[in-house]
Amino acid sequence: SAVISQKPSRDICQRGTSLTIQCQVDSQVTMMFWYRQQPGQSLTLIATANQGSEATYESGFVIDKFPISRPNLTFSTLTVSNMSPEDSSIYLCSVPFGPGGPQETQYFGPGTRLLVL
Amino acid sequence: AQSVTQPDIHITVSEGASLELRCNYSYGATPYLFWYVQSPGQGLQLLLKYFSGDTLVQGIKGFEAEFKRSQSSFNLRKPSVHWSDAAEYFCALPGTGRRALTFGSGTRLQVQP
Repeated sequence: SAVISQKPSRDICQRGTSLTIQCQVDSQVTMMFWYRQQPGQSLTLIATANQGSEATYESGFVIDKFPISRPNLTFSTLTVSNMSPEDSSIYLCSVPFGPGGPQETQYFGPGTRLLVL
Repeated sequence: AQSVTQPDIHITVSEGASLELRCNYSYGATPYLFWYVQSPGQGLQLLLKYFSGDTLVQGIKGFEAEFKRSQSSFNLRKPSVHWSDAAEYFCALPGTGRRALTFGSGTRLQVQP
């Protein structure tokens, strides 16, 4: 299995500012995902981050708003830029872990709870 | 495109009663299917997964799920619910051509004493 930690666990921010969320995995993984969970909603994929390449963003998410770094195989950051109250959400990172196909399991970090005032 | 539907937004059961949470999927082939639980203030924990073979899958915490191809369903069950099972439950499957998951809207379970 994979153990994932995130920092910060929660934060309250002012609109117009930026917050960088860190995700650390205890194993080397090629692929990492960032999800957003808006209040009372399900999880939506923001982007896929592969080490050594640019992140791939889903429809509705752009790099200027959610820049991602992936400097090595165990670490990634997601920045929420120029925040507005609509960005108040839980942000989760996850990794697929295992040999691939049906043996693969996706593990999630504990999430970062962001409130924008 | 693949999709997952959880018809029940909120379910309330009494402690000790049985539980069934519904999940319907849309997928072109036999999907990999997952159930995750999110306890208040916690991240997501995998309860169980299906990828082939036996259609009745056993998971952690006494949960099981049954894959029914004819009904495009993967319902989660537990014979006797405990107060600690109160949480949000998500059904999920991999998206098209990617390993990231597509999640259902979730079912919030409330357990009455």
